Amino acid sequence: DVKVTQSSRYLVKRTGEKVFLECVQDMDHENMFWYRQDPGLGLRLIYFSYDVKMKEKGDIPEGYSVSREKKERFSLILESASTNQTSMYLCASSPRWTYEQYFGPGTRLTVT
Amino acid sequence: KNEVEQSPQNLTAQEGEFITINCSYSVGISALHWLQQHPGGGIVSLFMLSSGKKKHGRLIATINIQEKHSSLHITASHPRDSAVYICAALVYNTDKLIFGTGTRLQVFP
Repeated sequence: DVKVTQSSRYLVKRTGEKVFLECVQDMDHENMFWYRQDPGLGLRLIYFSYDVKMKEKGDIPEGYSVSREKKERFSLILESASTNQTSMYLCASSPRWTYEQYFGPGTRLTVT
Repeated sequence: KNEVEQSPQNLTAQEGEFITINCSYSVGISALHWLQQHPGGGIVSLFMLSSGKKKHGRLIATINIQEKHSSLHITASHPRDSAVYICAALVYNTDKLIFGTGTRLQVFP
C-alpha cells in the first residue's frame, strides 16, 4: 500500500514564526504536491515537484516555499506565518505516468 | 465560475437509498478523479476514469466526455458512506488537478 505521511496532524503557531510541514512517501513516486483546503474553496495547489530539487508554483504560492532534497520527502515552509494561513494542509504524491494522487492525512495548522 | 462544479453541496439520505453526486467541468481533461474525505481529513482516491464507467462494490462512476460531466453513484447507501465526496479534473497534458468544492453526504440509519 502506498503510504504518505505528514509530520503533524495538528499544529499551533504564532504569527511571524517560521513553520515547516514535512511530507514523506514510501512508493518512489516522482510527483509530490502541497495543497491547502479551506471551507467553500476546496483544495488549492500551493506547489508541486516532479523530481528532486525541482519545483513549480501552483495556484497560491504566495507566502510559501518548498524544498525537495530527497525523492521521498517534500517540505512546505511558511517563512513568516500569518493568521490567513490557518488551514488544513494536505500532501499528495503520484507516479509520473498514472497521475493518480495518494494523499496524506493532513495537518491542521492554526496560526494565532 | 469554477472550472469544476459539483452538485449538490450537501446531501442527506436514509440508509438504503440510491445516491447520485454530479460533477461538471469546463477544462480539457485527461482523466477525472473521485475522492472521499472522512472527518479528520484523510482523502482516499475512489476512482480515476477517462471514459465510460467504473464500478467498485456499491460505488459506480460514469463520465461523458462530450458533455463534460461525471457522476458518482452509491447504491444501497449506508451510514459509513457519510463523508465529503470530491471530484477533481486532471488537466490535459499536465499533472495538475482542479478540485470541486465537495459534496457533504450524510446517511442516516
